[in-house]
Amino acid sequence: SQKIEQNSEALNIQEGKTATLTCNYTNYSPAYLQWYRQDPGRGPVFLLLIRENEKEKRKERLKVTFDTTLKQSLFHITASQPADSATYLCALPRTQAGTALIFGKGTTLSVSS
Amino acid sequence: GAGVSQSPSNKVTEKGKDVELRCDPISGHTALYWYRQSLGQGLEFLIYFQGNSAPDKSGLPSDRFSAERTGGSVSTLTIQRTQQEDSAVYLCASSLGVAGDRTDTQYFGPGTRLTVL
Repeated sequence: SQKIEQNSEALNIQEGKTATLTCNYTNYSPAYLQWYRQDPGRGPVFLLLIRENEKEKRKERLKVTFDTTLKQSLFHITASQPADSATYLCALPRTQAGTALIFGKGTTLSVSS
Repeated sequence: GAGVSQSPSNKVTEKGKDVELRCDPISGHTALYWYRQSLGQGLEFLIYFQGNSAPDKSGLPSDRFSAERTGGSVSTLTIQRTQQEDSAVYLCASSLGVAGDRTDTQYFGPGTRLTVL
């Protein structure tokens, strides 16, 4: 079965720096990969989706890359701000043909001013 | 209009009791998902409804768990004879459920925090 590893439970950086979060998967290459943000006491909020035939996707200060050879996605936040502090979750389809998702345990990002 | 809503926001129950958790999806969304999130764990898929199709129940951890969706809208997740290991945050999500589009965005509710004493 598909497994996801987000290899840092916590990441602490200074304001203005670029945060880079890693998501690795172990089994089949998914048709797409998603990144969500979760704040304490709230449900996850969708940020970005990248498809298997896309190398990179950008949205404002966010950038996601997808390397199907390495079975890895990188999530970057440039010019980070304290308001970016949250837990970031990587998600893949649970099966190759499905829509329900399997999530990583998340990386908690703390941006200090 | 409003996003996904869930009730109650918190539920404390005694071991062995039954509980019902409710989810109101975004109006017009045909797909509805239940997940649960335990402390220190990732979100775990439980069940998925798409329109009038038979639900995908493959994530339900035991036969004590069941869910239904009435009229293609509101969904209720029922846990019978609750156990302490059922303590978690139960999250509901909905999506447009566009046919053939496996990538449509899921919108999550705030969750119900269940504590089984």
